Amino acid sequence: DAGITQSPRHKVTETGTPVTLRCHQTENHRYMYWYRQDPGHGLRLIHYSYGVKDTDKGEVSDGYSVSRSKTEDFLLTLESATSSQTSVYFCAIRLDRGLVDTEAFFGQGTRLTVV
Amino acid sequence: AQKITQTQPGMFVQEKEAVTLDCTYDTSDQSYGLFWYKQPSSGEMIFLIYQGSYDEQNATEGRYSLNFQKARKSANLVISASQLGDSAMYFCAMREGNYGQNFVFGPGTRLSVLP
Repeated sequence: DAGITQSPRHKVTETGTPVTLRCHQTENHRYMYWYRQDPGHGLRLIHYSYGVKDTDKGEVSDGYSVSRSKTEDFLLTLESATSSQTSVYFCAIRLDRGLVDTEAFFGQGTRLTVV
Repeated sequence: AQKITQTQPGMFVQEKEAVTLDCTYDTSDQSYGLFWYKQPSSGEMIFLIYQGSYDEQNATEGRYSLNFQKARKSANLVISASQLGDSAMYFCAMREGNYGQNFVFGPGTRLSVLP
């Protein structure tokens, strides 16, 4: 158990409403990531963070924003949800060991349905 | 452009036989890391094996080995003596970036092990 909690685990929301997904870690890992998983696309990187208030865009960042005001929390916000954002969202964390690579540990995923 | 390519959407293998899952990658970095993950039907992401770009020996972890061909930019996963529990999605991933912050996945290969 890498100490990652995603909330909520399931959510149904209406088109046009804002949605915030939370990723909480207890391990003090530097790197945090948000991915979405869709059939045929694998996991696509939405945004990532390499420290408090340090975030950057991934390959599918349009329509999403993130915030990291504390080391342990990384929030993903859909400002105005659309049906194309129906997906399973995974949070991941990685330890920073300088030049030594570390694997990513994943949360259990959040299934988001936009109707 | 796709950074990780997995050309086999689905694979079948007979129980107890070996199987190779293909992965090719694209990066201009000299230092990068390659990872394989397994996702069973329950949905969790399980780290399997890692290969660093400077590692001269192919990585092995139990029944998993990574066939790393740097010049060809390929990092194929070999599973020996397949078991029914190996049926799952398998994802190849790459860590790159100046600070090692980027962590991207391929579309995955669904492996089915036949009794």
